[in-house]
Amino acid sequence: RKEVEQDPGPFNVPEGATVAFNCTYSNSASQSFFWYRQDCRKEPKLLMSVYSSGNEDGRFTAQLNRASQYISLLIRDSKLSDSATYLCVVNGNTNAGKSTFGDGTTLTVKP
Amino acid sequence: DAGVIQSPRHEVTEMGQEVTLRCKPISGHDYLFWYRQTMMRGLELLIYFNNNVPIDDSGMPEDRFSAKMPNASFSTLKIQPSEPRDSAVYFCASSLALYGGINTEAFFGQGTRLTVV
Repeated sequence: RKEVEQDPGPFNVPEGATVAFNCTYSNSASQSFFWYRQDCRKEPKLLMSVYSSGNEDGRFTAQLNRASQYISLLIRDSKLSDSATYLCVVNGNTNAGKSTFGDGTTLTVKP
Repeated sequence: DAGVIQSPRHEVTEMGQEVTLRCKPISGHDYLFWYRQTMMRGLELLIYFNNNVPIDDSGMPEDRFSAKMPNASFSTLKIQPSEPRDSAVYFCASSLALYGGINTEAFFGQGTRLTVV
């Protein structure tokens, strides 16, 4: 089993749709969690951190469920510019500093 | 800060040749990571350093791969000899350890696209 698993995708949605991605992780001692976005032929970039209380940034909402060991990302009112691959990232515990990336979920928003 | 800087951006080499990829992390960051990304395998962590010391190299595919970090501002990933299956995008990333051992997010360089023919 992979340490971090994501919805395989791809997701093809019309503009304005709401789309949700899920991610599960296997290490219960994981400390920090992120969603990254990667555009085609570009490097991954941080989209948002994920906090236990959940957090929102405009149209994007991230949730963490430690008991079930999953993370979610909700995108509301999707735009064409949201088309990208979304990567779930889990950081190790103690001082490991190791980031483990999921394989990513590809989103295509169509007019 | 200019961010994480990688060179070269593109590299085409013949099988059997030595390839050296370079990375300059963000100043002040104490973690440096080397990743490889392919369509088949996604983003794989090859090795990471903390304060210039290699911590985990379990992701390095085989002895043909080696990485060094001689100082806080420079790291190299070397492949010798290179093979066609090494063709991939190689990313370097850096992050900062915060209080309690939790890291900030990783900041990535633009990557080196390696093609071995």
